Amino acid sequence: ETGVTQTPRHLVMGMTNKKSLKCEQHLGHNAMYWYKQSAKKPLELMFVYNFKEQTENNSVPSRFSPECPNSSHLFLHLHTLQPEDSALYLCASSQDRSSQPGSEQFFGPGTRLTVL
Amino acid sequence: LAKTTQPISMDSYEGQEVNITCSHNNIATNDYITWYQQFPSQGPRFIIQGYKTKVTNEVASLFIPADRKSSTLSLPRVSLSDTAVYYCLVAALTSGTYKYIFGTGTRLKVLA
Repeated sequence: ETGVTQTPRHLVMGMTNKKSLKCEQHLGHNAMYWYKQSAKKPLELMFVYNFKEQTENNSVPSRFSPECPNSSHLFLHLHTLQPEDSALYLCASSQDRSSQPGSEQFFGPGTRLTVL
Repeated sequence: LAKTTQPISMDSYEGQEVNITCSHNNIATNDYITWYQQFPSQGPRFIIQGYKTKVTNEVASLFIPADRKSSTLSLPRVSLSDTAVYYCLVAALTSGTYKYIFGTGTRLKVLA
């Protein structure tokens, strides 16, 4: 596969469940991102990783736990979510942020999450 | 930190030129301006990026005035397939790190 892939594409979970979202990029990038997109709201940047190190956490609740084992993979672990966490979760990647700031981000198709 | 503002929606007809403006009144001197296109159930896709003056590629032009407090995405001769949401993104350098600030998005509807 090419580009940025995300699995699953759709996820329905209860508030007591634990689930994980997976993102994989095949572009040789070193920066990866998690975004949340709620209905009729702008994209909200959640986390940024650069060379596997977390460089940004934009006040995201601890029920969202990111993991970046290598530059190609990014996970978002979910537990005890709330119905208001229902949204489209987008993963993106780009060139190294420190040496190429503002570089184009490549987005995956997203995971549509519904919390019951 | 730069904040971005865009019109919520726009309508246009096929073959017309569409201009979408984004306001970023307090943009810093080292901020880039990028535009993305998003179709339903898909992630955003890069269209164009600029820093100042005018940038043109095969799909769009980006106009940035000297004060850089706004930018205008120009789509020449739109077609029905250009119906999408368009976001401006400002990459703002804050404390040595670039932070990305997406606009609220402009929903463009192209009519036949």
